[in-house]
Amino acid sequence: AQRVTQPEKLLSVFKGAPVELKCNYSYSGSPELFWYVQYSRQRLQLLLRHISRESIKGFTADLNKGETSFHLKKPFAQEEDSAMYYCALRGGSNYKLTFGKGTLLTVNP
Amino acid sequence: EPEVTQTPSHQVTQMGQEVILRCVPISNHLYFYWYRQILGQKVEFLVSFYNNEISEKSEIFDDQFSVERPDGSNFTLKIRSTKLEDSAMYFCASGWAGTVTYEQYFGPGTRLTVT
Repeated sequence: AQRVTQPEKLLSVFKGAPVELKCNYSYSGSPELFWYVQYSRQRLQLLLRHISRESIKGFTADLNKGETSFHLKKPFAQEEDSAMYYCALRGGSNYKLTFGKGTLLTVNP
Repeated sequence: EPEVTQTPSHQVTQMGQEVILRCVPISNHLYFYWYRQILGQKVEFLVSFYNNEISEKSEIFDDQFSVERPDGSNFTLKIRSTKLEDSAMYFCASGWAGTVTYEQYFGPGTRLTVT
């Protein structure tokens, strides 16, 4: 079975502060991890995938297999980062995604 | 940039009625999915569809649900006899496995309200 846990439902930071959104997973095979973002009234959009090891909009995420984590980090949060963030895992041969419950990030001015 | 589209954006129906939710995936994509999100809960996988057949389905996707790709462009989700607990946001997604970094593209969702 595959499971994704995002322990924080809400996270509030001030502009310019560092932000870390936590994600832990459970999967018996070799996982593929993603972060999706949903801005207000918009669709789910892919933000990051672990396999690309990229930085998008200043966000990075490193897959830590020992801790089974894929935390999303940004050193200096911006107000436009306010959104719902979902961690997702792809496993199996059919590419379905298993999502965490999401973390609502609010960046205050 | 091509996008997945879904219609309608909001559907209100009475319990026991049939509903069809429609999706137009991105044109060169080969894999199609339905997910749903009950208010306040996580996004849950319902079904995946590839090569004109269901490739995987969750335990939520019981006999009341069906999917179809009636022509080359639409992908539909039918709920035969809606229940109150079917009220949710339904997301369609499409993707292809043409690259190493496979990803799914989501539609804007259809909010289904069963009264």
